[in-house]
Amino acid sequence: DAGITQSPRHKVTETGTPVTLRCHQTENHRYMYWYRQDPGHGLRLIHYSYGVKDTDKGEVSDGYSVSRSKTEDFLLTLESATSSQTSVYFCAISPGLSSGANVLTFGAGSRLTVL
Amino acid sequence: SQQGEEDPQALSIQEGENATMNCSYKTSINNLQWYRQNSGRGLVHLILIRSNEREKHSGRLRVTLDTSKKSSSLLITASRAADTASYFCAEVYNQGGKLIFGQGTELSVKP
Repeated sequence: DAGITQSPRHKVTETGTPVTLRCHQTENHRYMYWYRQDPGHGLRLIHYSYGVKDTDKGEVSDGYSVSRSKTEDFLLTLESATSSQTSVYFCAISPGLSSGANVLTFGAGSRLTVL
Repeated sequence: SQQGEEDPQALSIQEGENATMNCSYKTSINNLQWYRQNSGRGLVHLILIRSNEREKHSGRLRVTLDTSKKSSSLLITASRAADTASYFCAEVYNQGGKLIFGQGTELSVKP
């Protein structure tokens, strides 16, 4: 997972509390993504960013917000965590289609448990 | 849901056999990619096939693409126990930066 780190790697929180997951990259890639992975659903796109302060929604964006104030950091925030947001969250980065193919590099994942 | 479908959901084979996984997608694509995920880890890119290609090879991997049927298949030849993992296809669209993943195939290769 060189070049991309996620923090925290594990978190247990209670329903109704805010949670922020951080993704940090050192590759200077334009695109950053947040996915969640749940049994039976594979990976589902939450939000992605195509530049500083430029973000767009994915398939399952309700209950999540994101921010990207600088190229290297992409934050995912759960304003008020619910048990349905218990999941493993993956951040990914890519240089975009302008590089030829838009291949993703994934972080190691952040396991979130909402009690 | 925008997610494509993969089948089978799970596949169990013996070492040395070939493994074939299939992926269907829903809209026009720029390219289709296959990723591998070992248990508890992030996904790793394996191979990519562009919309104007029909077949691609990389080592023991062969990928085919049929744009008329909106489907792709991944063949792993002469499988090894170390190939045990989950395999995902991902659609890459011509516009924007979205990659939409299928639900994955869990491959188990028994020694």
